[in-house]
Amino acid sequence: QVQLVQSGAEVKKPGSSVKVSCKASGGTFSSHAITWVRQAPGQGLEWMGRIIPVIGTGNYAQKFQGRVTMTADKITNTAYMELSSLRSEDTAVYYCARGLYDSSGFILVYWGQGTLVTVSS
Amino acid sequence: DIQMTQSPSSLSASVGDRVTITCQASQDISKYLNWYQQKPGKAPKLLIYDASNLETGVPSRFSGSGSGTDFTFTISSLQSEDIATYFCQQYDNNPLTFGGGTKVEIK
Repeated sequence: QVQLVQSGAEVKKPGSSVKVSCKASGGTFSSHAITWVRQAPGQGLEWMGRIIPVIGTGNYAQKFQGRVTMTADKITNTAYMELSSLRSEDTAVYYCARGLYDSSGFILVYWGQGTLVTVSS
Repeated sequence: DIQMTQSPSSLSASVGDRVTITCQASQDISKYLNWYQQKPGKAPKLLIYDASNLETGVPSRFSGSGSGTDFTFTISSLQSEDIATYFCQQYDNNPLTFGGGTKVEIK
C-alpha cells in the first residue's frame, strides 16, 4: 500500500518561495509520476504538474511555467514542489498524488494529506 | 486547455434518493474521465476511473457512464456518508483539468 506524507503548513511573505515535500512509502517510487494539485480555499482542484522520478524532469502547467520546480530524490523516495514569487492568490492546500493503474499520474489513487501554504504580508 | 463543465454546482437530496451529476468536456476526451469524492478537510478520493470503472473498495451504489464529451456520475441510493463534493477530471490532454465540483447535501 502506497502512502504519501507531506510536510507541514507554511506561512510565507509575498515574493518569497515555498518548498513542499512528499515522502512516499510502499510501491515503486522511481517509475511512477508524482502529480501536484492545489486547491485554493473554497475552490476547486487545479493541476500544477508532475514529475516521473526516474526521468527527473517536471512537466508543468503553462500557468506555473517559470515559477514552479518539481524534483524527486530517488534515495529518500521524496518528491518536492517549489513555488517562487509567491502572491496572495497562491494561498491554497497543495496535494501530491500518485497513480496505481498508470505510471503517468493521470488516475490519482494515492494522495498526500495536503499542505496548507498561506501567503500573507 | 480542455474545459470541464460540471453540473449542478450543488444539490440537496434525501437519503435513499438517486443522485446524478453530469460533466461535459469542451472536446472529445474518449473515456479518459475520472470521478473523485472530497470530504471537508480531506484529500480527494478516487471513485471511478476511465468513465465507468469502479475503484476497488468503493460501494457499488456509485457508478459512472459516458464517453466523448458527455459523462454522468450516479449515486443510486444516497447515504448520509456520501455528503461531500464530487469532481470530474479529464486526462486525455495536458494539462489535466477538473470540473468545478458538485456539493451534495442531505435534504
